[in-house]
Amino acid sequence: GENVEQHPSTLSVQEGDSAVIKCTYSDSASNYFPWYKQELGKGPQLIIDIRSNVGEKKDQRIAVTLNKTAKHFSLHITETQPEDSAVYFCAASINTGTASKLTFGTGTRLQVTL
Amino acid sequence: DSGVTQTPKHLITATGQRVTLRCSPRSGDLSVYWYQQSLDQGLQFLIQYYNGEERAKGNILERFSAQQFPDLHSELNLSSLELGDSALYFCASSRRGGGTGELFFGEGSRLTVL
Repeated sequence: GENVEQHPSTLSVQEGDSAVIKCTYSDSASNYFPWYKQELGKGPQLIIDIRSNVGEKKDQRIAVTLNKTAKHFSLHITETQPEDSAVYFCAASINTGTASKLTFGTGTRLQVTL
Repeated sequence: DSGVTQTPKHLITATGQRVTLRCSPRSGDLSVYWYQQSLDQGLQFLIQYYNGEERAKGNILERFSAQQFPDLHSELNLSSLELGDSALYFCASSRRGGGTGELFFGEGSRLTVL
């Protein structure tokens, strides 16, 4: 089955700096790569996603890049703010059209310090 | 608020016991997913139901079972509980059953097995 590795497990940046979280996946058939943000005491929430036919996607301060050949994808957060502090999960899945089985990475705890 | 409701929020029980976790999906969502989140293993996919039918299965133990009812709510039954079953159990829902698209997570049910 699919295996997703995520690095780093913790990341501390100063407010205003950029943060980068990297993931690799094992199954070349995976074609959907979402990123979820989990704040303390809450469930994960989708922040951005990318499909395998796209190399990069941006939404304000957040961007995701995908390298299908290397089976890498990354989350980039620019101009970080204290409210960006949370645990971020990458995930991968294969679109079968009838079922969904997201495989998540182990998470990155991002802390944005003042 | 994701619109997904999970009960109970907290549950403490003893080894060998059986518990039932309940999930009400967002209005209009036909798919329900169950995930287990433990400290060292991130989010593990357990099972997916779509409109009452099982669609995908992950690493769900034989001691665990789930079902989705005609009103689309779902229950996860955990039996012969062991200490290692202590975790946060998340339910998520989505409009479709396919492999892409946002999952909306509830706030989780925290199970402690003593």
